[in-house]
Amino acid sequence: NAGVIQTPRHKVTGKGQEATLWCEPISGHSAVFWYRQTIVQGLEFLTYFRNQAPIDDSGMPKERFSAQMPNQSHSTLKIQSTQPQDSAVYLCASRRDWANQDTQYFGPGTRLLVL
Amino acid sequence: GEQVEQRPPHLSVREGDSAVITCTYTDPNSYYFFWYKQEPGASLQLLMKVFSSTEINEGQGFTVLLNKKDKRLSLNLTAAHPGDSAAYFCAVSSGYGSSGNKLIFGIGTLLSVKP
Repeated sequence: NAGVIQTPRHKVTGKGQEATLWCEPISGHSAVFWYRQTIVQGLEFLTYFRNQAPIDDSGMPKERFSAQMPNQSHSTLKIQSTQPQDSAVYLCASRRDWANQDTQYFGPGTRLLVL
Repeated sequence: GEQVEQRPPHLSVREGDSAVITCTYTDPNSYYFFWYKQEPGASLQLLMKVFSSTEINEGQGFTVLLNKKDKRLSLNLTAAHPGDSAAYFCAVSSGYGSSGNKLIFGIGTLLSVKP
């Protein structure tokens, strides 16, 4: 089991460019989560998919951020017109099923730096 | 919404000493509680999860205590060793409805264990 796979591991973009982050959940896991980690804000929830359907996007910034899960093997987080304040580590996690007590397994993260 | 306060933000102990990290939360409906460890450059690894109203769980070299009456969760590393040096995060889930899937994290505790 390779665990949750995130690519790229590091991404540097210029202000105003688009960034797309990729997550492959653990095979057989039906729930996928995105979080953002910064020194100042800590770990913040962004969005959650179950069986590829968006369930809770309450943590997503209203503008420029979007997430999709076109199939059970990958999810993408897209940031349009990136800003320096978007610099963070973006973590993807997957969970076996809908049960909230089940463990969320985290990927290594994508470190995004916006210059 | 739920708020999780984690103390202390930094903790430095000598090898063999104990280290205690505490989280308090606000939502009495919170039901699932997790401790994660994050080593430098690595992702979050689950240490333990607890659910019952008052529970003491023992792991390898640590104890987790949950007191729902006081809305307090603690992690006690007994006889810490340098390999325990890492960031530790508590996380809380309400367990109810679609919004109960997300984890609300404490700010983290950076533990340093000196030989």
